[in-house]
Amino acid sequence: GAVVSQHPSWVICKSGTSVKIECRSLDFQATTMFWYRQFPKQSLMLMATSNEGSKATYEQGVEKDKFLINHASLTLSTLTVTSAHPEDSSFYICSARTKGRAREQFFGPGTRLTVL
Amino acid sequence: AQSVSQHNHHVILSEAASLELGCNYSYGGTVNLFWYVQYPGQHLQLLLKYFSGDPLVKGIKGFEAEFIKSKFSFNLRKPSVQWSDTAEYFCAVNAYNTDKLIFGTGTRLQVFP
Repeated sequence: GAVVSQHPSWVICKSGTSVKIECRSLDFQATTMFWYRQFPKQSLMLMATSNEGSKATYEQGVEKDKFLINHASLTLSTLTVTSAHPEDSSFYICSARTKGRAREQFFGPGTRLTVL
Repeated sequence: AQSVSQHNHHVILSEAASLELGCNYSYGGTVNLFWYVQYPGQHLQLLLKYFSGDPLVKGIKGFEAEFIKSKFSFNLRKPSVQWSDTAEYFCAVNAYNTDKLIFGTGTRLQVFP
């Protein structure tokens, strides 16, 4: 149990376009989902926390208008990178947590974004 | 601000060698501690976690970690590594009753047969 999926697994886009990444909890209801960014050979940096039905809470330095997060249901959260630029190229990882799992987060496989 | 330090960035071992990866955190209050592993091409998986109780916690695949509160440390150990343990290992912490996970920079472990 506790499987989190992400789609797509990789995406290449032109500069200036927007890209949507989906994060789904497949076998549990995720009251909270998290979005991380991982640069090559570096750690995961939390970008934002989203609770179902409410606005996401962004970490300091993360542009809310560039990284739009929607958590419309208990099994789906989306991250939209708007007007993507090459510096947005990175590995984006989501995780999900449910109330019954006391602070344990389950991670998705990640999405590799390359902006040309 | 909370931070997590992993001092070993890259560790190379032969099979059957013992492993200890260091993890130190900076936070004065109660914390929850985690070790995650990321095998090549795969997603992060939880190895073990500490919330309270016995400071020596055992995880999957023969791994264990010891929480030493006085040293703000949560080192990961395995008595005898295998080639299949080759992966990236991340230590993480969150303050009690918060959701935010702070990750260390990771340690790349390479095990040679």
